[in-house]
Amino acid sequence: GNSVTQMEGPVTLSEEAFLTINCTYTATGYPSLFWYVQYPGEGLQLLLKATKADDKGSNKGFEATYRKETTSFHLEKGSVQVSDSAVYFCALSDNSGYALNFGKGTSLLVTP
Amino acid sequence: EAQVTQNPRYLITVTGKKLTVTCSQNMNHEYMSWYRQDPGLGLRQIYYSMNVEVTDKGDVPEGYKVSRKEKRNFPLILESPSPNQTSLYFCASSPTGLAENTIYFGEGSWLTVV
Repeated sequence: GNSVTQMEGPVTLSEEAFLTINCTYTATGYPSLFWYVQYPGEGLQLLLKATKADDKGSNKGFEATYRKETTSFHLEKGSVQVSDSAVYFCALSDNSGYALNFGKGTSLLVTP
Repeated sequence: EAQVTQNPRYLITVTGKKLTVTCSQNMNHEYMSWYRQDPGLGLRQIYYSMNVEVTDKGDVPEGYKVSRKEKRNFPLILESPSPNQTSLYFCASSPTGLAENTIYFGEGSWLTVV
């Protein structure tokens, strides 16, 4: 079945550091890929998505590229801020296009 | 304002005492879903509903029931809660259920079963 593997956290970075959170997936067919963010005390919010190979999703300075050859969708940001401290979830849709499979989440803490 | 509202936000209950977590959305979405979030396991889907009177099991439905009598409401029912159902629960909705639609999540309900 479909699955998503994220790097283990927590990740601690200083403000303005470069961020990479790795995400790889296993899926049949051509899933869509997503990054969701969960700020402390809140529900999840869609951060960005990509629906086909080589697509790049971007939002709020974050980017991720759908790499079919390496089955990856790594999240990157060039300069993180304290306000980016949150838990980040990689997810993919199944072949039906309906169900989402989430990774276990990666906690990010950005210090001043 | 587009919202998914869950209640209660925090609850401590005892084993075997039936409880209901309510969920309501004001966006006229067809699709609604319940997830539980546990440390080291991420989010797992409990039940989902494609429309009124249409519900189906997710990955971890055991010990839960749902109903969808109205489009806006999708309550989660624990008939006989057990300690392994201690978790953070999220309700979510989206226009049609397609993963490409934006999914709106509630703020979460912390449930502790002692």
